[in-house]
Amino acid sequence: DQQVKQNSPSLSVQEGRISILNCDYTNSMFDYFLWYKKYPAEGPTFLISISSIKDKNEDGRFTVFLNKSAKHLSLHIVPSQPGDSAVYFCAASVYNQGGKLIFGQGTELSVKP
Amino acid sequence: DGGITQSPKYLFRKEGQNVTLSCEQNLNHDAMYWYRQDPGQGLRLIYYSQIVNDFQKGDIAEGYSVSREKKESFPLTVTSAQKNPTAFYLCASSWRGADEKLFFGSGTQLSVL
Repeated sequence: DQQVKQNSPSLSVQEGRISILNCDYTNSMFDYFLWYKKYPAEGPTFLISISSIKDKNEDGRFTVFLNKSAKHLSLHIVPSQPGDSAVYFCAASVYNQGGKLIFGQGTELSVKP
Repeated sequence: DGGITQSPKYLFRKEGQNVTLSCEQNLNHDAMYWYRQDPGQGLRLIYYSQIVNDFQKGDIAEGYSVSREKKESFPLTVTSAQKNPTAFYLCASSWRGADEKLFFGSGTQLSVL
């Protein structure tokens, strides 16, 4: 039972344009959401997070939007840069459940010059 | 320089053999985790520990064992009972509390000979 789903395995975007990565979840108990970026043969690095009391969080070129009624979150990268090419994972957790993150399958972003 | 160190980077297992993956952190984090990544799939939780001398099973604990004798160390043993051990293994750590962001090591690729 996949509680966190990223339905697009890959996304290709031109440099300078917007990248939008999507994530859906099924468990209404999730109240904390994170995005991680991962390069091949390396560990994921934290990118940005949002708690369920907010619907938007911004950090530089990265913005995460949360739509609780639709159980959907998205990561916007503007403008996209070639160095953003990586696999992006969304993850969700229930607060105070021991940091047990549930990860989506990942979306591979390719930003072309 | 604080961080999480996983070793070895690559590991090969023979049929019927137990192997142990090392994970050490000097971030003074309370909680530590082991995840497994298979191609095209998200990260799945194997075991986690929120405090020394205590650990809990994750979603896919069968065929694995852990110990947490020191705060800094959380080794994972892949036993012969794990019939499909080939995967990329990631160790992570975090503070317990309001922000449950995980910090990941660089991973160990385990393959079966």
